[in-house]
Amino acid sequence: GEDVEQSLFLSVREGDSSVINCTYTDSSSTYLYWYKQEPGAGLQLLTYIFSNMDMKQDQRLTVLLNKKDKHLSLRIADTQTGDSAIYFCAETPNQAGTALIFGKGTTLSVSS
Amino acid sequence: ETGVTQSPTHLIKTRGQQVTLRCSSQSGHNTVSWYQQALGQGPQFIFQYYREEENGRGNFPPRFSGLQFPNYSSELNVNALELDDSALYLCASSPRGEGQAGFGSGTRLTVV
Repeated sequence: GEDVEQSLFLSVREGDSSVINCTYTDSSSTYLYWYKQEPGAGLQLLTYIFSNMDMKQDQRLTVLLNKKDKHLSLRIADTQTGDSAIYFCAETPNQAGTALIFGKGTTLSVSS
Repeated sequence: ETGVTQSPTHLIKTRGQQVTLRCSSQSGHNTVSWYQQALGQGPQFIFQYYREEENGRGNFPPRFSGLQFPNYSSELNVNALELDDSALYLCASSPRGEGQAGFGSGTRLTVV
């Protein structure tokens, strides 16, 4: 079945690193994504990783993928107050299309 | 800016009524997907359109229907509105075969 799970809340201090974790169930997913949603806004694609990779770095963002455990994580270095938002993990289990299956989201709260 | 625009931004309807939501896709993107995001939840896939044909559907009843036009813009129609249809409706566009979808800011639908 298709299911994506995330922890619901994470609270960090400004300047610290944040790590948001996600588990998924469909091993056929070709891409895995991280989206950011600020209050009252749509979704912003932060980064994505192809399933044959185990790590991707993009400026302050590092994505780690453990295919054996179906575990995905997003690390945000030097977390800023502007990073406060909801972060969604998503997979694309349907290889013929691009439908995204989302987790419920992790609310990141950054305090100064 | 993703280039995906949705209208209207907010809408209030009465139970039993019908509603049409609109989406203009990013230039060059021929695939449009619609998602429903209830409060506190992750987006749920409704359906996807490619070249004016439905190309995948999530677990939504037939009263949720859609259209895609030759210019790749799209409509989501919901008949016989129920209170549980109150949600943020998100449109996403992508090039065919790629999941790196750009999302619009959404339409907030309230059913009373």
